[in-house]
Amino acid sequence: KAGVTQTPRYLIKTRGQQVTLSCSPISGHRSVSWYQQTPGQGLQFLFEYFSETQRNKGNFPGRFSGRQFSNSRSEMNVSTLELGDSALYLCASSWSTGYYEQYFGPGTRLTVT
Amino acid sequence: KQEVTQIPAALSVPEGENLVLNCSFTDSAIYNLQWFRQDPGKGLTSLLLIQSSQREQTSGRLNASLDKSSGRSTLYIAASQPGDSATYLCAVLYGNNRLAFGKGNQVVVIP
Repeated sequence: KAGVTQTPRYLIKTRGQQVTLSCSPISGHRSVSWYQQTPGQGLQFLFEYFSETQRNKGNFPGRFSGRQFSNSRSEMNVSTLELGDSALYLCASSWSTGYYEQYFGPGTRLTVT
Repeated sequence: KQEVTQIPAALSVPEGENLVLNCSFTDSAIYNLQWFRQDPGKGLTSLLLIQSSQREQTSGRLNASLDKSSGRSTLYIAASQPGDSATYLCAVLYGNNRLAFGKGNQVVVIP
């Protein structure tokens, strides 16, 4: 069974640009969550999608948005990039929302210059 | 606030010693607790999941315990090997379905 895949793996963008990251969950998993990891703040929750609906959102500005498609694949978009958005963005999938074990992808390393 | 703490931030042990990593959390109303391993620049690998009704879980050389009342979990790694060198992260799942992570224990096993 294939794991969680994220594309692209590495990305370099300039301040002010926007970026879209993609996540394909494990087959059969319907919940996708996104996390940002930085050396200073550690891992922080961005949002969760289940059945194409955003279920939860963390404390991030509106520049961070996402969506989920009918096949459970998810995309995350960051507009008007800032230097502080440089981070490892991790996607996690689980069978459903709630008590279930979460499986993480390899992440997308975003560098903003 | 749902805070998760892992102390110390970094530790080194000689090969063959048992590793003991501690995690504490402030809000005991948890759904489950997961231990993850992260290698430099990589994603997270799930090691063990303990549901809130369980006291411990075991997988090979790994054993994790959970004490909800005191807000603590401990990960034991028996007979450590150089390949165990990594950062270990504790994450607590609450009812809002978001994982709250500790900052991790960076472990180096010295051959």
